[in-house]
Amino acid sequence: DAGVTQSPTHLIKTRGQQVTLRCSPKSGHDTVSWYQQALGQGPQFIFQYYEEEERQRGNFPDRFSGHQFPNYSSELNVNALLLGDSALYLCASSSPGQGAANYGYTFGSGTRLTVV
Amino acid sequence: DQQVKQNSPSLSVQEGRISILNCDYTNSMFDYFLWYKKYPAEGPTFLISISSIKDKNEDGRFTVFLNKSAKHLSLHIVPSQPGDSAVYFCAASGTGNQFYFGTGTSLTVIP
Repeated sequence: DAGVTQSPTHLIKTRGQQVTLRCSPKSGHDTVSWYQQALGQGPQFIFQYYEEEERQRGNFPDRFSGHQFPNYSSELNVNALLLGDSALYLCASSSPGQGAANYGYTFGSGTRLTVV
Repeated sequence: DQQVKQNSPSLSVQEGRISILNCDYTNSMFDYFLWYKKYPAEGPTFLISISSIKDKNEDGRFTVFLNKSAKHLSLHIVPSQPGDSAVYFCAASGTGNQFYFGTGTSLTVIP
C-alpha cells in the first residue's frame, strides 16, 4: 500500500525563481495538507486542499499557492523564492472517514528545498 | 508565536525504563492533540491522539495524558526500547484541519 509520495526529494533553486513541488496522497485519502519544516523547527501549516479547493490556510504569504487535481494529487507552488524559503516541505494526507484529528495524517518523506 | 512548546530538545533513557515527553500549549481552543514520531529522512509517523474530552489515552506501550487546566500533555513510553529512538513531535488543533507542532524532542534509548 503506497503511502504519500512526494517529488522531487531534493531541489536547489536561485533566489527569485519559482518552484513546484508535487504530492500524491495515500490511496483512499482525499485531503492534502502542506507543511514547511525549517531546520530545528516543527512543521508549520501552509494550507489544506479538499475537493480541489483550498479549505484552510496558515500564516504564509500569497507567494505560496497550491492546487489539487481530480485524482486528489496536489502541487505546492512558491514564487519569488527567498533564502528563508529553504526548508523541508512535507505533504500530508488524510481521509474523511478517519480524520486527522483522531487518526493523524500520513506524511510523505518531504522535499528538501535549498534556495541559494 | 509558538502556540505549542516542547521545552526539552533531547532526552536519554535506559532501555526498559519509562520515557516521558512533555508538551505545553497556550491556546485554550485546542481540542485535538497528537503525537508523531520521526526518523531521519522520513516523514513524521502518527503515534497516538487524545481529544479534550479525555484525560488519558493508551495504545500498547504508549500513553498520552492531557491536563487541560495546565495546558499540558505528556507521552509516556513503557518500557522504552532502542527502536523508540527518534524525534517526537506533539501537535494540537482546534479544527482538526490546521495543526500546530512543537519543535520536537529527540529521544535516545540506551541499550
